Order: sequence, then C-alpha cells, then structure tokens
Amino acid sequence: GEDVEQSLFLSVREGDSSVINCTYTDSSSTYLYWYKQEPGAGLQLLTYIFSNMDMKQDQRLTVLLNKKDKHLSLRIADTQTGDSAIYFCAEREGSQGNLIFGKGTKLSVKP
Amino acid sequence: DVKVTQSSRYLVKRTGEKVFLECVQDMDHENMFWYRQDPGLGLRLIYFSYDVKMKEKGDIPEGYSVSREKKERFSLILESASTNQTSMYLCASRSLNTEAFFGQGTRLTVV
Repeated sequence: GEDVEQSLFLSVREGDSSVINCTYTDSSSTYLYWYKQEPGAGLQLLTYIFSNMDMKQDQRLTVLLNKKDKHLSLRIADTQTGDSAIYFCAEREGSQGNLIFGKGTKLSVKP
Repeated sequence: DVKVTQSSRYLVKRTGEKVFLECVQDMDHENMFWYRQDPGLGLRLIYFSYDVKMKEKGDIPEGYSVSREKKERFSLILESASTNQTSMYLCASRSLNTEAFFGQGTRLTVV
C-alpha cells in the first residue's frame, strides 16, 4: 500500500533553521501537506504544495518537492520555541483522495 | 472558519462498555474521517465516509463501527471497549478540493 516515511525526532537551537524530510510512494499524489500538532491538540494545516510545483514559500516556511525522488521537505527559518510540535507529512493518494500520513516528526527547539 | 468539533476532550470508560465518539462539522463537507493516533505509529485511518449513510473501512476497522445519519455528523462506536483501544481519536472532514480539517481530538482511556 501507499506509505509516507519521516524521521521521528529533530532537535534544533532557537534561531537556527529546521528541515524536516519526508518520502512518499504514490506517484499519482496530487497534493502534499504539512500539518502541525501542538501538545494535546488536533492537527492544524501548515502548508501544502500541488504536485506540479517544486517549491512554495510562505513567510518562514519553505516547502521543497522533488517529484522524481518522491521527496518532500519543510524548512522553518529562524526556528522559535513556539515551533516545538509534531509535524506530519501527508500525501493525498490518487485513487480515493484519502490522506496518508507519516508517523510525525517531533521537533524540539532548545533555547 | 471551518469548525470540526469532537464531543469530548477526555473520556474514561470501562472494559466492555459501548462507547460513542461524536464529531460534527459545520462546512457541509462530504467526506469525514476517524483516525486514531498512538505514539510511534502516527495516524491510522479507522473508517471514513463519502456521504450520508455511506461508510468505508480504513486500515484498522476491527472493533469499531461508524454511523453517518446526517451530513454534518460522523460517529465512531466502540461496541465493547477494550484496553487496547486506549488512544487519541481524531476526526477530520473535507470537501473534494480542500485539505482536511481536524477536530481537537478525544483522549480515550479504557480501564
């Protein structure tokens, strides 16, 4: 079946850039998403990218998509302690349009 | 703003009890989803629904059922709760061309 892989943990210092990586398997994915989950809360959409794009920038967030390698990344510039959360990569699979989630990357930001 | 509301943030139930988790969305979305989230396992799809009275099994439907009598409401039912169903349950909704919007989650403990 379809699969989305991402590393489970990332630790950075405040002010540094964070890069969270993700790989997916469904080459027919139309949209790819990044969701953020703060402790005890549901998931909140951070940003998304359409599969015919290779980059999208939104303030401190940059999404890069390498469709050939099925690799997606999220870069957070000037990472702040408030960015500490779990970040989920998700692909919208081609057949039924359901979202397939990775296991989430827990980002810890040290002061 | 889209709102997806789950009826409870925290629930404690006894083994063998019948448990209802309710989810309501206010944006007339066609699709609704129930996931469970467990440490190290990410989000796993339990059931989803494309329309009123329609339901489809996700990846882990065993021990669960669902009900969608009205478009705005999607209920998850644990017929006989067991301790291995202790988890965070997340409801989501979307229409055909939008991202998924999540509720705040229900943390269920089965004792």
